[in-house]
Amino acid sequence: DAGITQSPRHKVTETGTPVTLRCHQTENHRYMYWYRQDPGHGLRLIHYSYGVKDTDKGEVSDGYSVSRSKTEDFLLTLESATSSQTSVYFCAISDGVVSYNEQFFGPGTRLTVL
Amino acid sequence: QKEVEQDPGPLSVPEGAIVSLNCTYSNSAFQYFMWYRQYSRKGPELLMYTYSSGNKEDGRFTAQVDKSSKYISLFIRDSQPSDSATYLCAMSAGDYKLSFGAGTTVTVRA
Repeated sequence: DAGITQSPRHKVTETGTPVTLRCHQTENHRYMYWYRQDPGHGLRLIHYSYGVKDTDKGEVSDGYSVSRSKTEDFLLTLESATSSQTSVYFCAISDGVVSYNEQFFGPGTRLTVL
Repeated sequence: QKEVEQDPGPLSVPEGAIVSLNCTYSNSAFQYFMWYRQYSRKGPELLMYTYSSGNKEDGRFTAQVDKSSKYISLFIRDSQPSDSATYLCAMSAGDYKLSFGAGTTVTVRA
């Protein structure tokens, strides 16, 4: 497995509370991504990063923010969690070298917002 | 309309059968076409990729791309119970982003 870890792996929280998910990589890859996966929707991109402090929005970014202060860490924050943010969250990395942009995924975080 | 459409199934086949999966897409800029496999409660992993149109074979797996029809397929021959997983198609225009289909869940019955 590519060296990607996500923490926590499971979390249950209440509506309105802030939540931060962490992605850590040991591959020194330039690009990092946060996706959410929901039945019938597949993987949808929330935010991505193309370098330290360089981030941009994906297709479902509302209600989420990210930060990347080091190459190896990419944080996803839900400022005020809502039940619609109950999902499985995956972090992915890519080196941006191969033309087809193979992405390597972490094990996922299951988030439940009550 | 979604950029990438994939029938979520589920698909159940007996061991040894041929599994046929497909996706359609609308973005003509897509050049790279991939299939990811995702086992239950795991992250997806790349199974195969194809550039532009044509076929690619890797063991029991064959990927086909028809850019004129905006249609891609994955065939699994001599399917095994270990092939039971969700298969996601993914596409790229050559930049750093991928567009995924919804995934098709496949069960191969022993």
